[in-house]
Amino acid sequence: SQTIHQWPATLVQPVGSPLSLECTVEGTSNPNLYWYRQAAGRGLQLLFYSVGIGQISSEVPQNLSASRPQDRQFILSSKKLLLSDSGFYLCAWAGESGNTIYFGEGSWLTVV
Amino acid sequence: GDSVTQMEGPVTLSEEAFLTINCTYTATGYPSLFWYVQYPGEGLQLLLKATKADDKGSNKGFEATYRKETTSFHLEKGSVQVSDSAVYFCALNPGQGAQKLVFGQGTRLTINP
Repeated sequence: SQTIHQWPATLVQPVGSPLSLECTVEGTSNPNLYWYRQAAGRGLQLLFYSVGIGQISSEVPQNLSASRPQDRQFILSSKKLLLSDSGFYLCAWAGESGNTIYFGEGSWLTVV
Repeated sequence: GDSVTQMEGPVTLSEEAFLTINCTYTATGYPSLFWYVQYPGEGLQLLLKATKADDKGSNKGFEATYRKETTSFHLEKGSVQVSDSAVYFCALNPGQGAQKLVFGQGTRLTINP
């Protein structure tokens, strides 16, 4: 069966520091991969999605970037964090032929 | 563009009460519809889905029917439990391109014993 893991689960970082959140999917090949953010008290915002290695689409302009160095690995990064980057970040995947998206456990980021 | 509108919360009910959370959508094509649930401090879990008109999704006592004529996908449960306390998100997948979900704002549900 397919599983998705993301880490770290919780992160407290100072303003201006770098960020790296990682996500891996197991049990499937060539998945679509997604990064969403959920700010406190707000809905879910799609940040990036990827349909293949090295293929990244950005949904909103921001301080973050994403990379897909391997088929089942998706990384969310920032060179310099802002206070407004705080939130709950969710990685997700969908099979190539399916329309159902499954989410990871999430990563809480607090920028101080 | 495509959008999802959910009943505003928070919603507070007593245990064993009947639950309805309204969800309506706007889409240009023939989307698939989903309900996700988020328990405190956790990620989103798929609760149920429907991929075409008149389909009924069901899971854990929850049901929702894809109504194309009213562009709705209301979530219902006949008798809620304290353990159902969570945030519920309605979402659609337009079914084109990279399969991106469009979410409603979420409805926080609290069930009191």
